[in-house]
Amino acid sequence: EVQLLESGGGLVQPGGSLRLSCAASGFTFSSYDMSWVRQAPGKGLEWVSTITASGNTPYYVDSVKGRFTIYRDNSKNTLFLQMNTLRAEDTAVYYCAKYIRSFDDWGQGTLVTVSS
Amino acid sequence: DIVMTQTPLSSPVTLGQPASISCRSSQSLVHSDGNTYLSWLQQRPGQPPRLLMYKISNRFSGVPDRFSGSGAGTDFTLKISRVEAEDVGVYYCMQATRFPLTFGGGTKVEIK
Repeated sequence: EVQLLESGGGLVQPGGSLRLSCAASGFTFSSYDMSWVRQAPGKGLEWVSTITASGNTPYYVDSVKGRFTIYRDNSKNTLFLQMNTLRAEDTAVYYCAKYIRSFDDWGQGTLVTVSS
Repeated sequence: DIVMTQTPLSSPVTLGQPASISCRSSQSLVHSDGNTYLSWLQQRPGQPPRLLMYKISNRFSGVPDRFSGSGAGTDFTLKISRVEAEDVGVYYCMQATRFPLTFGGGTKVEIK
């Protein structure tokens, strides 16, 4: 059974940083692209970032380029999202998801709140 | 960027009756490899999203056959043949043909 467990969310001040983690199990992590998708309170889904299986190629939505970095440790079956210079509009539940041209497995999400 | 537009925003349905959701993309979703990467996801209240359909009409593992997807190019439809109570939630279409990946705004399915 595929399991994706996010952690690292919390309350941070504007301009601050957080690192999210997603521990994966139940599949061959190193064979799959992985993504982060977020959902602001009461709003719809927004794709944030995807990284290829090897970790060599990241993709980002324009609004986080230069501030967020996606990376992975295939030896530890873990996906990361380093978030810097956080803004109020980054407040959301962040989900990690397994990506094969669709999001076929999702974690439960971790809440990031950016507020002073 | 490809804009995904869903209609209606809300769909009140009687139990046992059909429901239909439309999704239109601002550009063709046909990829250079010949596939059309249009998916449908369901998000029940308080839950993470769940994949229902991929590549327009392929049901994901465990998805009941009362769900079906159709369409081509820029126009797509998700149909529920007979709505059950567990189908209440928000439904999203999503394109993965081109980055940035984009979602529709969501359609809320509720019971009348």
